[in-house]
Amino acid sequence: EIVLTQSPGTLSLSPGERATLSCRASQSVSNNYLAWYQQKPGQAPRLLIYGASSRATGIPDRFSGSGSGTDFTLTISRLEPEDFAVYYCQQYSNSLWTFGQGTKVEIK
Amino acid sequence: QVQLMQSGAEVKKPGASVKVSCRASGYTFTGYYMHWVRQAPGQGLEWMGRINPNSGDTNYAQKFLGRVTLTRDTSISTAYMELTSLTSDDTAVYYCAREWNYHYFDYWGQGPLVTVSS
Repeated sequence: EIVLTQSPGTLSLSPGERATLSCRASQSVSNNYLAWYQQKPGQAPRLLIYGASSRATGIPDRFSGSGSGTDFTLTISRLEPEDFAVYYCQQYSNSLWTFGQGTKVEIK
Repeated sequence: QVQLMQSGAEVKKPGASVKVSCRASGYTFTGYYMHWVRQAPGQGLEWMGRINPNSGDTNYAQKFLGRVTLTRDTSISTAYMELTSLTSDDTAVYYCAREWNYHYFDYWGQGPLVTVSS
């Protein structure tokens, strides 16, 4: 089973700043089957990025994903008030799906 | 529009079982795998398993093997997750989520809270 480790655990930033979130896999993620989700309190997760770098439908272009193999990054270019939330990475491999433990982006 | 409507919150005693339903609408139920993901209070997301609504074939996370059963009723476009031998560690929100593009989750249910308490 591939283990995903996200860092940092919490990111304290101000609106307008750039956020850089990391997701590291214990083994190479095949074909970059890696996604990022945003979750706000009391809500289900929302798909942001799939295939490591493709934005899902309706996702603003301030969200971008990059990386391959074992190291992946989610970047939010300029934080909007609605972007303060918890972000999870997720991978697929060999009919198993796993999530990282999450990064909370909070208002500084 | 695609919707996944789940059953309501439950309170169960340790050792009991729980069965959560997930009714799909707005798309062809048998055309997309359905997954189950849980989230303990204040914790992260944990994948439990998936079912092919067309064939009934299932995959389960190792952790839940022998304790979780995924089923479906195609006549009412509904998927079910049953978890047995509940302990307090099973207190969590249980989401159903539609698989998209083979590897990702594009629509999620609202996730009922299952509380296990004596």
